[in-house]
Amino acid sequence: EAGVAQSPRYKIIEKRQSVAFWCNPISGHATLYWYQQILGQGPKLLIQFQNNGVVDDSQLPKDRFSAERLKGVDSTLKIQPAKLEDSAVYLCASSLNGGALDTQYFGPGTRLTVL
Amino acid sequence: RKEVEQDPGPFNVPEGATVAFNCTYSNSASQSFFWYRQDCRKEPKLLMSVYSSGNEDGRFTAQLNRASQYISLLIRDSKLSDSATYLCVVNIIGDMRFGAGTRLTVKP
Repeated sequence: EAGVAQSPRYKIIEKRQSVAFWCNPISGHATLYWYQQILGQGPKLLIQFQNNGVVDDSQLPKDRFSAERLKGVDSTLKIQPAKLEDSAVYLCASSLNGGALDTQYFGPGTRLTVL
Repeated sequence: RKEVEQDPGPFNVPEGATVAFNCTYSNSASQSFFWYRQDCRKEPKLLMSVYSSGNEDGRFTAQLNRASQYISLLIRDSKLSDSATYLCVVNIIGDMRFGAGTRLTVKP
């Protein structure tokens, strides 16, 4: 079974530039998550989708971050404009239906460096 | 107070040692509990779920104490391949909250 796919794997940009990340979840998984993991910290949830609807985006900095999952399958996360503190690994994860006992499967992440 | 707190370590242990990690959580509404493992520059992967009665998977034993809001992970007979960061994860009404992780290095 194919895992969660993410691209690009690495991205280096200058502050105030824009960047977009793509995620394709495991086939059949209704729930998709985007996390931000800063070096030395655990992943922090940015946004959770159930099919193409947003379940939780309370920790998404909406002035600069946006995400969509238009057809309920793959998703994009955008940062515009980027700040130095956005340097982190952006992890996408998916689970079958978002239940409390569901296992979340993570993609390899996109490592973002903002200069 | 952080929602999920872990001793950051690092724990440096010899092969064959037994090592225990602790984790506390602040929200009594937490529904489910997990340990994830994260290798250096890799994504987190589920190690095991944690059940109220405690559960064991080979050399790994997880315990949950809801009254004290405390979770533990015990690793027996440590292997070199156990070297990783261990993340305590708490599901709070559908949201997964991760601890910062405890780093383990197993040495020959």
